[in-house]
Parts: sequence; C-alpha cells; structure tokens
Amino acid sequence: EVQLVESGGGLVQPGGSLRLSCAASGFTFSIYSMHWVRQAPGKGLVWVSHINNGGTTTTYADSVKGRFTISRDDARNTLYLQMNSLRAEDTAVYYCTRDRAYTFDSWGQGALVTVSS
Amino acid sequence: QTVVTQEPSFSVSPGGTVTLTCALSSGSVSTTYYPSWYQQTPGQAPRTLIYSTNTRSSGVPDRFSGSILGNKAALTITGAQADDESDYYCVLYMGSGDWVFGGGTKLTVL
Repeated sequence: EVQLVESGGGLVQPGGSLRLSCAASGFTFSIYSMHWVRQAPGKGLVWVSHINNGGTTTTYADSVKGRFTISRDDARNTLYLQMNSLRAEDTAVYYCTRDRAYTFDSWGQGALVTVSS
Repeated sequence: QTVVTQEPSFSVSPGGTVTLTCALSSGSVSTTYYPSWYQQTPGQAPRTLIYSTNTRSSGVPDRFSGSILGNKAALTITGAQADDESDYYCVLYMGSGDWVFGGGTKLTVL
C-alpha cells in the first residue's frame, strides 16, 4: 500500500524557515516524480513544486520561486521542501503527492504550516 | 497568467447526473493538458478520481467519468449519491513542469 507521511509543520514567524519531510513507503520511491501541493485555510488546492525521479529537474510555482527548494533522498525514501523567507500567505496545509502521468496520484494527509507573529 | 476555471458550485438530486467542467482562460482544453480530477471532503486529503482525461484511478466507481466536452475538460457523475457531496478540483498540466488547479466546485447532493 502506498503511504506518504508528511512531517515538520508548525508555527513560524514571518521571515523564518521550515523544512517539511515526506516519508514514502509501499512503492519504489526512486522511480517516481513527486510534488508538493498546498491548501490555505478555506481555500482551494495550489500546486507548489515538482521534482523528477533522480532529482535532476525541479520546478516551482511563481509564488514560491526563489524561496522554496524541493529535494529528495532516494536512499531514505524521503521528499523534502525547504521553505525560507516565509510569509503569512504561505500558511497552508502542505501535501506530498506522487506523480503518475502528469497527475497527482497518491496523497499524504498533509502538514500544517502557520506563519504568524 | 493562466487561469483554470470551474463552476463555483453545483447541485444535483440523488440519483441524478451532473457534469462539472474545467476551462482555460484562453484557449481550449485538450488531452495534451492531461486533465485530472480530485474529490475532497472537509478535513481530508484529496482523492484522485480521474487522470489523463478519462482514466479512473484505482477503486473509483465507474459512475465517475472524464472527457473533453467542446473546449473544456469534464467530470460526469452518473447516479449521484449522498456521499458524492464534496469539493471537486481539476488540474491541467501546462507543460514545462507547470501545473494549474482550478478553483474547485462545491457539489451539493439534495
């Protein structure tokens, strides 16, 4: 069974940093591209970032470009999202998702990030 | 800036059929955008329903179907049930590693 478990969320002040992790199990993590998707309270889903299998190519939504970095450790079956220069508008639940045919195939339960002073 | 538009809300009677759509701010949606559809109930993670326009994800009942209707992607629910009451999101792949979600449709079954 595919499992994706996010961790690392919490409360951080504006301008601060946080790193999210996503532990994957139940599938061969190294052969899949992965994404982060977020959802602000009461709002819709927004794609944040993508990393290909192998970790050689990454892309970002304009709203996080230059502040967020996606990475992966295939030996640990773990996906990461390093978030710097956080803003109030980054407050959201962040979901880790697996890619399949340009689709978000499987989803974690999400990690809540709150940016507030 | 590409905008993907969905109906903000829709209502269907139990047992009825409803078609939700997903449109581009400029241009037509085609299979090359790999449209996909997701169902989300409050407090839960999204569930993948349809990918690559019309392929049902594992375990999704066949009363959910995807298609291209005119210049839009479409999700049709046939024989709506009470537990279909959810938010539904579409996503389009814009190419070059860029994905855009629609704003979501809140479906009411009553």
